[in-house]
Amino acid sequence: GAGVSQSPRYKVTKRGQDVALRCDPISGHVSLYWYRQALGQGPEFLTYFNYEAQQDKSGLPNDRFSAERPEGSISTLTIQRTEQRDSAMYRCASSLALAGGTGELFFGEGSRLTVL
Amino acid sequence: ILNVEQSPQSLHVQEGDSTNFTCSFPSSNFYALHWYRWETAKSPEALFVMTLNGDEKKKGRISATLNTKEGYSYLYIKGSQPEDSATYLCAFGEYGNKLVFGAGTILRVKS
Repeated sequence: GAGVSQSPRYKVTKRGQDVALRCDPISGHVSLYWYRQALGQGPEFLTYFNYEAQQDKSGLPNDRFSAERPEGSISTLTIQRTEQRDSAMYRCASSLALAGGTGELFFGEGSRLTVL
Repeated sequence: ILNVEQSPQSLHVQEGDSTNFTCSFPSSNFYALHWYRWETAKSPEALFVMTLNGDEKKKGRISATLNTKEGYSYLYIKGSQPEDSATYLCAFGEYGNKLVFGAGTILRVKS
């Protein structure tokens, strides 16, 4: 596609349910990041991939959070047993370059998660 | 732990004022420094990616400088306009490592 696509755009779920957030990066982009963004704040790093390899998951808050990018393209961020504190905007970004390098990030529109 | 700090947290200026804000980052293992502009209800969009100490980049009325030895970058906006109102984010990158963002500087330009 022309840009980074995220789905669903909005997700409302009950506490304790599992959710899966999908990111479809720009075709050919090597690195893919997941960030969480609280209202009015800058993006908070969660995890990133170079190709299909998850390089760093130090930003994932706890073991209820996981991410995968099995074929080096589409990525899924999964949150198990959701809690109210998980409510946030989850943003995906991709870049033509390896992570941390000179390639600018292209952000998706985000998935707004609300846990009731 | 990589620490990227931006100051001020927010800034209110009058139309026509020039303004600048700061991004501070670790001076070791530097590879790239990114600036992004983030308008409310939209996604962040890249302004500049800078890699060389002393580098200066310009796009219209917005420019940025980089000092990797002391670990800071300045973003300047000349003759601010209401449409410049946004949050300006910087991000620090080590080669092959994650890109870490600062909390951002919120700019509001009054007409």
